[in-house]
Amino acid sequence: DGGITQSPKYLFRKEGQNVTLSCEQNLNHDAMYWYRQDPGQGLRLIYYSQIVNDFQKGDIAEGYSVSREKKESFPLTVTSAQKNPTAFYLCASSGGASLTSTDTQYFGPGTRLTVL
Amino acid sequence: GENVEQHPSTLSVQEGDSAVIKCTYSDSASNYFPWYKQELGKGSQLIIDIRSNVGEKKDQRIAVTLNKTAKHFSLHITETQPEDSAVYFCAAGRGGSQGNLIFGKGTKLSVKP
Repeated sequence: DGGITQSPKYLFRKEGQNVTLSCEQNLNHDAMYWYRQDPGQGLRLIYYSQIVNDFQKGDIAEGYSVSREKKESFPLTVTSAQKNPTAFYLCASSGGASLTSTDTQYFGPGTRLTVL
Repeated sequence: GENVEQHPSTLSVQEGDSAVIKCTYSDSASNYFPWYKQELGKGSQLIIDIRSNVGEKKDQRIAVTLNKTAKHFSLHITETQPEDSAVYFCAAGRGGSQGNLIFGKGTKLSVKP
């Protein structure tokens, strides 16, 4: 089946530790995104990547890092510098063969990170 | 930059009634407006989207309308069912290679049987 997978579904981290969230897609999409969701707020963009080996900061990139070594994968690392990392993290991808489909973002199931 | 306002934050309707969620945006250059449905424990799923070259789009019980002059767009769900209960997010953005979307804060829809 084609789609976006995120793992793990739930993640617990001790304060001061770095943790990496996985995002994989087999949709052959060029662009991938990471969003953070907090209660009562919309999705906020952390980082996005339009092509392999390239990525751009979103609105709330501080305390996060990403890599895009493969088209299918866009892992997000939440570093100890992130002041308030407890949140629901969603990965998305977009960009198929058709130009009109480049805007549509398809989301993974999300990872809920809790800092203890 | 773009700013998206979404109302209401919560909406409760009886099964079979219609539900309407409204969003306004600030950037007149935005030309792509998707709606996402988020169910408990699941990620967000695209349910319908509209581009700025049309004013309305329908897909069975779901429709979206766009008023470019007033810079607002709305989601309409007719004949609501309990399985429509979820949080709905609107978003606005520019098309093309960047694909950045700015999201509203969400509307929690409850459909009572």
